[in-house]
Amino acid sequence: GEDVEQSLFLSVREGDSSVINCTYTDSSSTYLYWYKQEPGAGLQLLTYIFSNMDMKQDQRLTVLLNKKDKHLSLRIADTQTGDSAIYFCAEGGGGADGLTFGKGTHLIIQP
Amino acid sequence: SAVISQKPSRDICQRGTSLTIQCQVDSQVTMMFWYRQQPGQSLTLIATANQGSEATYESGFVIDKFPISRPNLTFSTLTVSNMSPEDSSIYLCSVEGRGPLEQYFGPGTRLTVT
Repeated sequence: GEDVEQSLFLSVREGDSSVINCTYTDSSSTYLYWYKQEPGAGLQLLTYIFSNMDMKQDQRLTVLLNKKDKHLSLRIADTQTGDSAIYFCAEGGGGADGLTFGKGTHLIIQP
Repeated sequence: SAVISQKPSRDICQRGTSLTIQCQVDSQVTMMFWYRQQPGQSLTLIATANQGSEATYESGFVIDKFPISRPNLTFSTLTVSNMSPEDSSIYLCSVEGRGPLEQYFGPGTRLTVT
């Protein structure tokens, strides 16, 4: 079945870059997503990338996709305390299939 | 992005009872999804709800336990029936965005079953 894997925790110092990694197994995945969930809040769509792209950049966020290795990463430049949250990787084929989520990576910011 | 609201935001229920969760969107959407997020776990898709047709359930979820209504293009309900403590979760409504592959989530309903 489909599977999305992420590390559970990542700790970085404020001002450094954070890199959150994700691997997936479904080779038919067409779109890959990053969501952010702050404590007590809902899921916020950060960005998504089509499977025919290698990279997507949006301000402090850079998404890299290695389709051959089925590896997705989210880089957050100049990490701030407000970036502290759980980051979920998700994949989908589009249409009515919904998304398959990883378990989420807790990003911890050290002062 | 779509603005999605859910009611109730949280509830504590006794086992054996049922709870209906409402999801309201500020724009018409074709597809709505219901997810469950168990404590410390990822999100799991329960079902897809399209207006005018029966919901499509994922493996492990059945209509008798999680009946869904979709009376129009801006509203859906999910009922958690005959609840047990294992049903304690956050239940999230999701809709497609303006781009067909964007999915946005409601704030969730935190359910505790005692």
